[in-house]
Amino acid sequence: DAGITQSPRHKVTETGTPVTLRCHQTENHRYMYWYRQDPGHGLRLIHYSYGVKDTDKGEVSDGYSVSRSKTEDFLLTLESATSSQTSVYFCAISDGLNEQFFGPGTRLTVL
Amino acid sequence: RKEVEQDPGPFNVPEGATVAFNCTYSNSASQSFFWYRQDCRKEPKLLMSVYSSGNEDGRFTAQLNRASQYISLLIRDSKLSDSATYLCVVNVEGGSTLGRLYFGRGTQLTVWP
Repeated sequence: DAGITQSPRHKVTETGTPVTLRCHQTENHRYMYWYRQDPGHGLRLIHYSYGVKDTDKGEVSDGYSVSRSKTEDFLLTLESATSSQTSVYFCAISDGLNEQFFGPGTRLTVL
Repeated sequence: RKEVEQDPGPFNVPEGATVAFNCTYSNSASQSFFWYRQDCRKEPKLLMSVYSSGNEDGRFTAQLNRASQYISLLIRDSKLSDSATYLCVVNVEGGSTLGRLYFGRGTQLTVWP
């Protein structure tokens, strides 16, 4: 299995609070991605990174920001969490040859 | 229109059955195609890539029809362990997409004894 970890694995927070999710890889892959998965929608791309400090928006980026200061870490921040951001968040990595490997996911509940 | 469309199922089949999943994609510039498998409350994992000539991996056969923009997955001799959600995935390369993957919503399969 690819070396990807996500932290925390579960989090419950309140509306309006900031939340940061971390993705850590040991594969030295160039590309990293953040997705959210919701019933009826499947996996949707939030943000992705194609190198250190190089990021771009996905299809559902509103309300989220990301940072990548090191190859191995990709952070997803919810500046002010809302109930609509309750979801399962997956990080993925790729070496650019198209196949993506996914982390175990973070279950976030915003009350 | 969504990039990738799949029949969500669910498909409920007995052990030993053959089952087929279909998927259509909207962007004719799509370059790479995959089937991922996702177990309940787990992360998606690559099942197999789909090549233009069709490819087989044991009991699994994937087919691609570029003219119809259609992808299929055939599972023969279904096992209980095949129960999962199968995701059709398409890579549209070039331009601003930078090789993003587009996921279908998934087709749920339950194999019963």
